[in-house]
Amino acid sequence: SQTIHQWPATLVQPVGSPLSLECTVEGTSNPNLYWYRQAAGRGLQLLFYSIGIGQISSEVPQNLSASRPQDRQFILSSKKLLLSDSGFYLCAWNRQSRLAGTQYFGPGTRLTVL
Amino acid sequence: GDSVTQMEGPVTLSEEAFLTINCTYTATGYPSLFWYVQYPGEGLQLLLKATKADDKGSNKGFEATYRKETTSFHLEKGSVQVSDSAVYFCALQETSGSRLTFGEGTQLTVNP
Repeated sequence: SQTIHQWPATLVQPVGSPLSLECTVEGTSNPNLYWYRQAAGRGLQLLFYSIGIGQISSEVPQNLSASRPQDRQFILSSKKLLLSDSGFYLCAWNRQSRLAGTQYFGPGTRLTVL
Repeated sequence: GDSVTQMEGPVTLSEEAFLTINCTYTATGYPSLFWYVQYPGEGLQLLLKATKADDKGSNKGFEATYRKETTSFHLEKGSVQVSDSAVYFCALQETSGSRLTFGEGTQLTVNP
C-alpha cells in the first residue's frame, strides 16, 4: 500500500529564517506531487505541483520554492520566511493514469512564523 | 476557469440530525468530483467521489450524487454523529491525474 510522510509535524521559525519541509511517498513510482497551504480558517491554496524529477510548476508567485530531487521526494523551501508564510502545509500525491486520479494527502506540517 | 462553490459555514447540528452541504461547480469539460474531510489538526482524507454524471459516491453513511444538469454534488448524511465534526471540502478534477480545484470548505460541528 502507499503511504505519504511529511516532516516535521510542527515548526516554529523566526521571520527571516530559512525553511525546508520534506514530503516522501512510499509504495508507488512516478507520482504527481503537490504542495498546498492552508491559512487559518481558509481553504486550500495550491503552491506547486510536479509531474516528474526536476519538473516543478508554480501556481502562486511568492518567496517559496519547491524541488523534486528524487522520484518520490518533494521539498518546499524558503530562503527568508515572512509572517504571512504561517499556515498548515499539505503534501499530496496521485497516480499518472487515465482513470480518476484521486489525490492522497499527508498529515501536514504546522508552520508558525514569529 | 474551473471553480467550486460550497455553502458557507459554520454548520452546527445536533446529533442524529440530517446533514446537507451544498456544492456547485463550474467546469469546461466532464470533471470528476470529490468530497474530502479534514479532522482537527490532520490532513485531508478522501470521503467519496464520483467520476461521471448520475454516479453516486458513498462512504461512512455519507452520499453525494453527480448532477450534471444542475452542476452540483451535494453531500448528505441521514444521521450525523459527534465524530463527524470536521471541515468538509468539495473538489473537482478536470482531467484524470491532474490537479484539484477545491471549494473553501465547510466547518461542521455536531453537538451531543
